[in-house]
Amino acid sequence: AQTVTQSQPEMSVQEAETVTLSCTYDTSESDYYLFWYKQPPSRQMILVIRQEAYKQQNATENRFSVNFQKAAKSFSLKISDSQLGDAAMYFCAYRSDLDQFYFGTGTSLTVIP
Amino acid sequence: DSGVTQTPKHLITATGQRVTLRCSPRSGDLSVYWYQQSLDQGLQFLIQYYNGEERAKGNILERFSAQQFPDLHSELNLSSLELGDSALYFCASSVGVREGEAFFGQGTRLTVV
Repeated sequence: AQTVTQSQPEMSVQEAETVTLSCTYDTSESDYYLFWYKQPPSRQMILVIRQEAYKQQNATENRFSVNFQKAAKSFSLKISDSQLGDAAMYFCAYRSDLDQFYFGTGTSLTVIP
Repeated sequence: DSGVTQTPKHLITATGQRVTLRCSPRSGDLSVYWYQQSLDQGLQFLIQYYNGEERAKGNILERFSAQQFPDLHSELNLSSLELGDSALYFCASSVGVREGEAFFGQGTRLTVV
């Protein structure tokens, strides 16, 4: 079975600075999708960014970008120019070829004013 | 707005009781997923349905059951409730054709007293 590991339970960043959240996964599949979801205090799950495994180019969404290393099975999220509203729990997720989603345990991000 | 509707938003009930949580997926989405999130915990996968059929089962207790109806809405039934069942229950939906993200509802917050 696929597993998703987020080794950083908590991270903090100064406002306007850059922070990178780590995620690794284990799979034998060659085609899959990876996602980062954000869960603010409201507890709503919000998609931040997605990456298709067959694409070599790293996905970017405004201040959010990923570093996808397929061979290393690594999928980190970089948040640039951090804002107070970025404070949340961030979950890395893997979508398998069988349409199942596997989530990491989450990283709690604190943004310091 | 993700397009996934969950009702009710909040539910308070006593131990030993039975409740039903309802989920309406996004229009066109065939897959429905149920997750449980206890306080400060990650997402625990419960069960997945695809076009009315059970596709995958996770850590779902025998006291819990679910189904997806012909109109694709889904219900999660929780019976003989215990204090430990208090959690946020999420429904998510996806197109279900091996691509794309899962869209999450706002969740049902269940409190068992």
